Amino acid sequence: ETGVTQTPRHLVMGMTNKKSLKCEQHLGHNAMYWYKQSAKKPLELMFVYNFKEQTENNSVPSRFSPECPNSSHLFLHLHTLQPEDSALYLCASSQETGAPLHFGNGTRLTVT
Amino acid sequence: DAKTTQPPSMDCAEGRAANLPCNHSTISGNEYVYWYRQIHSQGPQYIIHGLKNNETNEMASLIITEDRKSSTLILPHATLRDTAVYYCIVRVMNTGFQKLVFGTGTRLLVSP
Repeated sequence: ETGVTQTPRHLVMGMTNKKSLKCEQHLGHNAMYWYKQSAKKPLELMFVYNFKEQTENNSVPSRFSPECPNSSHLFLHLHTLQPEDSALYLCASSQETGAPLHFGNGTRLTVT
Repeated sequence: DAKTTQPPSMDCAEGRAANLPCNHSTISGNEYVYWYRQIHSQGPQYIIHGLKNNETNEMASLIITEDRKSSTLILPHATLRDTAVYYCIVRVMNTGFQKLVFGTGTRLLVSP
């Protein structure tokens, strides 16, 4: 148990579907992150939220839309995805002062 | 952030020490060395970090050379559960959020 919970663990969606990934942490952390891990590629940072404010958008296409309603919850809304968006999507959190990242176990997304 | 270089794969016998090297020859004076690992089907897990002194915790030891251009992560008694991809990252410890850039890491295989 990492303290960061991601749901669902697996998701299969068509290119015209709309779905959302959810991340929840009760570690008292102030920063939350979305990372993408494609097959045989390094983890790619997508978005960063610090105290609910988005502080980083790493040139992510607009078909990915993050939402951070409070410091404990983070969503990634998905719409009109492409097959190349199939990947493991990882959520992480950390203290504002720079403590290590705590990752969830990810959502394995398959776009058909 | 300074770039790191790691061997793509290593093998280790169960019960023996696993020594994972990392080169970071362009590291700056205020950059810390972090190690994470990712076991199959899980999110990355923080192991240890350090600036210039050697560090030890319940998981591993980190040895940083005096010129800080390289480091070694030591798992003193490797077990089968230590089979994972190990990432070495250098990052400035600032007062803001953690923006870690992961490379391709070293795939460690621990065998009976």
